[in-house]
Amino acid sequence: EPEVTQTPSHQVTQMGQEVILRCVPISNHLYFYWYRQILGQKVEFLVSFYNNEISEKSEIFDDRFSVERPDGSNFTLKIRSTKLEDSAMYFCASSAGTTPNEQFFGPGTRLTVL
Amino acid sequence: AQTVTQSQPEMSVQEAETVTLSCTYDTSESNYYLFWYKQPPSRQMILVIRQEAYKQQNATENRFSVNFQKAAKSFSLKISDSQLGDTAMYFCAFRVTGYSNTGKLIFGQGTTLQVKP
Repeated sequence: EPEVTQTPSHQVTQMGQEVILRCVPISNHLYFYWYRQILGQKVEFLVSFYNNEISEKSEIFDDRFSVERPDGSNFTLKIRSTKLEDSAMYFCASSAGTTPNEQFFGPGTRLTVL
Repeated sequence: AQTVTQSQPEMSVQEAETVTLSCTYDTSESNYYLFWYKQPPSRQMILVIRQEAYKQQNATENRFSVNFQKAAKSFSLKISDSQLGDTAMYFCAFRVTGYSNTGKLIFGQGTTLQVKP
């Protein structure tokens, strides 16, 4: 069964550094998403991406964040100048369409900013 | 703006018993979908069940069923014959439909369910 994969499973970085979180969505999917979950809190939408551009982003997705689909298979989230409050679990999701298609989630990347 | 509220941070149930998790939402939209996702300790998000707002019939998936009250903006999840593997955090989520929607999910705060042997 096809699945969304994410690497690394855990990333530790120093405050102020840049990190890149990687996702490989399901191959025939067209819509891609990043969500984050601070430990013990709810899952929050960061950004949606379709047709090689951002279709929507939340207030959390500030100028330090960017997304890219560099090679038609990977979908990356880059965070520049990381802050302590960026520490969270980051989930990638993909879907074949917007509705009613299910969003399939990856296992997440735990980001720890020290 | 849409909001989703889960007022029960934690619940527990005995194995084989039935439990109901509550969810309310607020929206001015008329067309939308509602979902329940399960997040076990592995942290993987798994879709449990979904409900289209235009459908009056409540969705059912094996031991999982919903009570969708559109006028009250309520969407509860009932788990029958609870199993130890149902222990997880459960998130209620909302998504607008329509041509311009981007498919983003809006989640509630989650309810941690503990199934006891």
